[in-house]
Amino acid sequence: ILNVEQSPQSLHVQEGDSTNFTCSFPSSNFYALHWYRWETAKSPEALFVMTLNGDEKKKGRISATLNTKEGYSYLYIKGSQPEDSATYLCAFWSSIDYKLSFGAGTTVTVRA
Amino acid sequence: NAGVTQTPKFQVLKTGQSMTLQCAQDMNHNSMYWYRQDPGMGLRLIYYSASEGTTDKGEVPNGYNVSRLNKREFSLRLESAAPSQTSVYFCASSESRGPNNEQFFGPGTRLTVL
Repeated sequence: ILNVEQSPQSLHVQEGDSTNFTCSFPSSNFYALHWYRWETAKSPEALFVMTLNGDEKKKGRISATLNTKEGYSYLYIKGSQPEDSATYLCAFWSSIDYKLSFGAGTTVTVRA
Repeated sequence: NAGVTQTPKFQVLKTGQSMTLQCAQDMNHNSMYWYRQDPGMGLRLIYYSASEGTTDKGEVPNGYNVSRLNKREFSLRLESAAPSQTSVYFCASSESRGPNNEQFFGPGTRLTVL
């Protein structure tokens, strides 16, 4: 079992403010890092799949960076809006067991 | 396209009862997965099917069986339900089983075992 840690577990942000949070994973045996957004009463949906050290991906106001050498990824939300309220899951694909290992998620609540 | 569908959405069982969770995808994906979600934990892989005709154990397979009925459908069976199997179950699919392939999730089945 590979440990994927996400911090913080939850955060509250004021509408219009920017925020970021972390996913940590084993730096060895790296294959890919996935980010998913999971809105209440819906299914998790993929945001990004990242494979290369130094990768940066962007979708609208959400972006992510990847550091495979030190084993972390940041997800950034710029100018948070209420519709950004969700749980953000990261998942690490390892060459050891060749499957996705999910973190417990960071729950973001955007206050109007 | 419906994507990934699951039935039922909710189920309550008594200890020892059996049931089958159904999953279907209409994206012509080769790989399908069953996960369980428990509070404070990440999604944990129960079983997966890399391609039609194959199934393999994931991280937490005990107490479950699966059937890849055809390319579209992948079912999860609880033969004798236990309270520890109270959870939210998600089915997912991907084009193939590999690190670059995003997974598409169904709406989930909330199962309570009394």
